[in-house]
Amino acid sequence: QSVLTQPPSASGTPGQRVTISCSGSSSNIGSNYVYWYQQLPGTAPKLLIYRNNQRPSGVPDRFSGSKSGTSASLAISGLRSEDEADYYCAAWDDSLNSPVFGGGTKLTVL
Amino acid sequence: QVQLQESGPGLVKPSETLSLTCTVSGVSISSYYWSWIRQPPGKGLEWIACIYYSGSTNYNPSLKSRVTISIDTSKNQFSLKLNSVTAADTAIYYCARGTRVPSFDSWGQGTLVTVSS
Repeated sequence: QSVLTQPPSASGTPGQRVTISCSGSSSNIGSNYVYWYQQLPGTAPKLLIYRNNQRPSGVPDRFSGSKSGTSASLAISGLRSEDEADYYCAAWDDSLNSPVFGGGTKLTVL
Repeated sequence: QVQLQESGPGLVKPSETLSLTCTVSGVSISSYYWSWIRQPPGKGLEWIACIYYSGSTNYNPSLKSRVTISIDTSKNQFSLKLNSVTAADTAIYYCARGTRVPSFDSWGQGTLVTVSS
């Protein structure tokens, strides 16, 4: 059972916009930044969004992050087949004094 | 360009100690936070521990009693030891760099460690 809750799966067709949610609590998302990672099959995770809504250099602007209260979302617009991957949210947890991850969401491009 | 490479045994017997090393190239280890993260086959990510170049450490509370993370700035390496392993410790182990935790901007390719007799 992960501290941060994500839907196990999401799907969309090419060109669509999809969102992936991440629900936490006041001790993690509610008081700290949220980060998002993309893990393509058979590869290491890649930082996709940092500090709630910032994109590292090289990440397309099709990817965007937002946060409200104790929840966060990752939006992917103009969905492409190469976006098919697992997506994880993460945040620092003040109660645990450690970072926590969501359980991951498998995105399927139909 | 920063690169991280994990190394260590791929097979560890139950009750023994898992030892891994991450060799960092392209950047001095004397800055940033350095972490170990694992992923059981087919499952999600679990942060294990991190260390700052100064030697300050932080551990996952659920693993703290069994984990030691250390750093060797002269070799640009940091290491993980996990003792009293069981089958539940079978996972891909990643080393990662972070400007802060959990902002991991560079990852190793990962190494699969299987716990089995």
